[in-house]
Amino acid sequence: EVQLVESGGGLIQPGGSLRLSCAASGFSVNSHYMIWVRQAPGKGLEWVSTIHDDGSPYYPDSVKGRFTISRDTSKNTLFLQMNSLRAEDTAVYYCARVLTNWPFDPWGQGTLVTVSS
Amino acid sequence: QAALTQPASVSGSPGQSITISCTGTSSDIGKYNLVSWYQQHPGKAPKLVIYEVSKRPSGLSDRFSGSKSDNTAYLTISGLQTEDEAEYYCCSYRESDTVVFGGGTKVTVL
Repeated sequence: EVQLVESGGGLIQPGGSLRLSCAASGFSVNSHYMIWVRQAPGKGLEWVSTIHDDGSPYYPDSVKGRFTISRDTSKNTLFLQMNSLRAEDTAVYYCARVLTNWPFDPWGQGTLVTVSS
Repeated sequence: QAALTQPASVSGSPGQSITISCTGTSSDIGKYNLVSWYQQHPGKAPKLVIYEVSKRPSGLSDRFSGSKSDNTAYLTISGLQTEDEAEYYCCSYRESDTVVFGGGTKVTVL
């Protein structure tokens, strides 16, 4: 069964760092594009980062320079390193597999990141 | 990065059809047939319901259909059922390997 399980969320102070993990099963993370999407409380979905199968990362301006996407083939796991966190980064963070022509399936269950003092 | 524009809410009675619009620009929806739609129930992860404008994932009900005209994509749910009540998000590929989501539409079954 193809499945994604996120972990690593929690309460962190502004300016702090956090690393999210997304463990994959049923497929290899290095064979697909992978994506992180977040959802602030009561708000819509927002693209956070994409990594291509060649390892190339992409970010929107809102997180560029602060967030880093990576993967560990031996652990079949996707990561999101988040630095210089701000209150507006508070959200549920989802990882998902990117299929051909850009649909996202499946999605993980999400992990909540709360940035607050 | 401006989001795609969706109506905040759409409602319909059981058995009726509803259509949700998703308006973008000539840099995303108007340029690429790479529009997908996601259904999200409260507290749950999003679920893919339409991809490449009008294709359905295997096993998904044919009550869900998608289309596109110029810079606007549409999701139609026919034969509305109570389990269709959820938030729906459109998404499009945009230039330079970026993607953009719509703000979401709450579907209410009356």
